[in-house]
Amino acid sequence: EVQLVESGGGLVQPGRSLKLSCVASGFTFSNYGMNWIRQAPGKGLEWVAYISSGSSYIYYAETVKGRFTISRDNAKNTLYLQMTSLRSEDTALYYCARHGERVMDAWGQGASVTVSS
Amino acid sequence: DVVMTQTPVSLSVSLGGQVSISCRSSQSLVHNNGNTYLSWYLQKPGQSPQLLIYKVSNRFSGISDRFSGSGSGTDFTLKISRVEPDDLGVYYCGQGTQYPFTFGSGTKLEIK
Repeated sequence: EVQLVESGGGLVQPGRSLKLSCVASGFTFSNYGMNWIRQAPGKGLEWVAYISSGSSYIYYAETVKGRFTISRDNAKNTLYLQMTSLRSEDTALYYCARHGERVMDAWGQGASVTVSS
Repeated sequence: DVVMTQTPVSLSVSLGGQVSISCRSSQSLVHNNGNTYLSWYLQKPGQSPQLLIYKVSNRFSGISDRFSGSGSGTDFTLKISRVEPDDLGVYYCGQGTQYPFTFGSGTKLEIK
């Protein structure tokens, strides 16, 4: 069974940093690209970032480019999202999702990030 | 960026009934490789989204044949037949043809 488990969320002040992790199991992590998608409270889905299986290709949404960094450790089956210079508008539930053929075919349960003073 | 427009915002259906959700993209979703990367997701209350349909009309593993997708270019439709209680939630269309990937704003399905 494919499982994706996010962690690292929490309450953080504006301008500070936070690092999310997503541990994968049930599939060969190193064979798949991965995504981060977020959902602000009561809102829809917003794609945040993508990283290819070998980390050769990385893409970001304009709203986070220059502030967020996606990375992965295939030896640890773990995906990361380093978030810096956080803003109130970054408050959301952050999902990691496995990248199928240009589709998110498995999702984690989400990690909650609240940016507030 | 590709803007995805979903209609209606919400709809209510009786059990056993049929519904259609429309999704329109601001640009053609035909990729250079000839594929059209339009997908549908369902987010049940309190849960993470789940993939229903990919590449317009392909049902994901384990998805009931009550769900069907159709369309081409910029206009797409998700049909749900013989609606069951477990179908309630918010349906999102999404495009993976070009980065940034984008989603529609969602259609909330309620059961009468």
